[in-house]
Amino acid sequence: GAVVSQHPSRVICKSGTSVKIECRSLDFQATTMFWYRQFPKQSLMLMATSNEGSKATYEQGVEKDKFLINHASLTLSTLTVTSAHPEDSSFYICSAMGAGGRNTQYFGPGTRLTVL
Amino acid sequence: KQEVTQIPAALSVPEGENLVLNCSFTDSAIYNLQWFRQDPGKGLTSLLLIQSSQREQTSGRLNASLDKSSGRSTLYIAASQPGDSATYLCAGSSGGGADGLTFGKGTHLIIQP
Repeated sequence: GAVVSQHPSRVICKSGTSVKIECRSLDFQATTMFWYRQFPKQSLMLMATSNEGSKATYEQGVEKDKFLINHASLTLSTLTVTSAHPEDSSFYICSAMGAGGRNTQYFGPGTRLTVL
Repeated sequence: KQEVTQIPAALSVPEGENLVLNCSFTDSAIYNLQWFRQDPGKGLTSLLLIQSSQREQTSGRLNASLDKSSGRSTLYIAASQPGDSATYLCAGSSGGGADGLTFGKGTHLIIQP
């Protein structure tokens, strides 16, 4: 149980385009989802916290108008990188936490974004 | 805000050795602490999770400890194997467990055959 998927696993796009990444909890309802990014040879950094039905909370330094997060259902959160630029190239990983389960975050396999 | 530090940044040991990876954190009100493994270009594999009320957790050849008073956690790997080669990440959760995880920069481990 507690499986989280991400789609796509890899995406290459041109500078200026927008890219949407989906994060799904496959076998549980996720009231909270988190989005992290990891630059090459760096650790994971929390970008934002997303609660179902409410606006996401962004970490300091993360532009909310550039990284649009939607958590419209208990099993799906999306991250849209708008007007992507080469410096947005990174590994984006989501995690999901179930209702009342303030113990464990279940991580997706990640999405590698390359902006040309 | 929680800060997590891992030492060493890299470690290379011969196969069969027992080894210890270290993690320190600044907020003693940590809710839980997790150890993950990450292979190159891949996502995270959760290894062990220690609740704030626990002092250690074991899974196979892995043992993780948590000392809240000193702000430290260790991951002990017994009888290391080449397949253990990976980056090991330590991450702490605060805010009653509702906050996102704060990750350390990881220890890049190489087990020499």
